[in-house]
Amino acid sequence: TQLLEQSPQFLSIQEGENLTVYCNSSSVFSSLQWYRQEPGEGPVLLVTVVTGGEVKKLKRLTFQFGDARKDSSLHITAAQPGDTGLYLCAGASGGSYIPTFGRGTSLIVHP
Amino acid sequence: EAQVTQNPRYLITVTGKKLTVTCSQNMNHEYMSWYRQDPGLGLRQIYYSMNVEVTDKGDVPEGYKVSRKEKRNFPLILESPSPNQTSLYFCASSSTGTRGTDTQYFGPGTRLTVL
Repeated sequence: TQLLEQSPQFLSIQEGENLTVYCNSSSVFSSLQWYRQEPGEGPVLLVTVVTGGEVKKLKRLTFQFGDARKDSSLHITAAQPGDTGLYLCAGASGGSYIPTFGRGTSLIVHP
Repeated sequence: EAQVTQNPRYLITVTGKKLTVTCSQNMNHEYMSWYRQDPGLGLRQIYYSMNVEVTDKGDVPEGYKVSRKEKRNFPLILESPSPNQTSLYFCASSSTGTRGTDTQYFGPGTRLTVL
């Protein structure tokens, strides 16, 4: 099974700060997804990236797929309390229907 | 409303007592799957199904069974639950299961405790 390492594992910041979450692997993925999970709920898809070097923006969230398709990052600008949650990355390789999930980054944004 | 539903949401049971967790989706999705989520281990796929009567093992299938007799339903069966199956379980579905690019829609989760 391919591994996806997420860092940091925990992040506690004040409203208005910027932050970056990383998702790294030694394996190449054909696509990578980012999900956000709130307490008591299932994960919800934020974005899918498929091309090396691709950058996607979703309001204050910026997602980047590494050139070699082995890593990805999620940058949040001016974090708000509503951004609080568990952020998960999930990668898929060409030969498998089984996505690999990272262990997640738990983000708390204090008002 | 498009959704994935799971029942029950919470379940406490004892070792060896067979149980079934139901999952249903109303989006006519072909692909459905089951995950378990454990602290420090993240989400791990148990079983998946590409369509009716087509199921296959995920990363952690031991101790679980599934069936896909209808497109909308994908129950998870624990024939003889053990304490190491205490976990938070999620059902998910997507339109085709195309490798990694489809949106997976997750249910709200079932928290299972096996004593």
